[in-house]
Amino acid sequence: ETGVTQTPRHLVMGMTNKKSLKCEQHLGHNAMYWYKQSAKKPLELMFVYSLEERVENNSVPSRFSPECPNSSHLFLHLHTLQPEDSALYLCASSQDRTNEQFFGPGTRLTVL
Amino acid sequence: QKEVEQNSGPLSVPEGAIASLNCTYSDRGSQSFFWYRQYSGKSPELIMFIYSNGDKEDGRFTAQLNKASQYVSLLIRDSQPSDSATYLCAVRGPGRRALTFGSGTRLQVQP
Repeated sequence: ETGVTQTPRHLVMGMTNKKSLKCEQHLGHNAMYWYKQSAKKPLELMFVYSLEERVENNSVPSRFSPECPNSSHLFLHLHTLQPEDSALYLCASSQDRTNEQFFGPGTRLTVL
Repeated sequence: QKEVEQNSGPLSVPEGAIASLNCTYSDRGSQSFFWYRQYSGKSPELIMFIYSNGDKEDGRFTAQLNKASQYVSLLIRDSQPSDSATYLCAVRGPGRRALTFGSGTRLQVQP
């Protein structure tokens, strides 16, 4: 596969469930990002990882827990979410120096 | 004041016309500027980036940057119905890796 891939593409979960979102980039980039996109709101940055180290965290609730085991993979672990967390979760990657970010297709999350 | 501002639209133009999309930003130290296109239900797709004052052309697209006025624009020549989408302006501030996005302008190209 090429570019940035995300799985699953759709996820429905209850408030007591635990699930994980996965992102993989095949571009040789060294920075990866999680964004949240809610209806009628701008893309909101959640986390930035560069060289597998979290370098930016936008005051995201602790029910979202990121993990970056290597420069190609990024996870977002979810637990005890709220209905207002329903949104499109987008992963992106970039080569640190240029910061032209490329997005994956997103995971559409619905919390019941 | 929002960090990156765009008119939400919709901006409606006839097929073949020039569509002009505008964006202003608040951080004067911002260094890099990007335009993304997002079709409904899809993820953003990078279409242009610009780092220096002036114009940058790529096919039917021209990005214009005026750092003194803190203004960046995207012109789409010979607009096609397939250009109908939401266009997101994104700005990279000084010392940051991540981008700050505007809310987007919805463009409708009428056949």
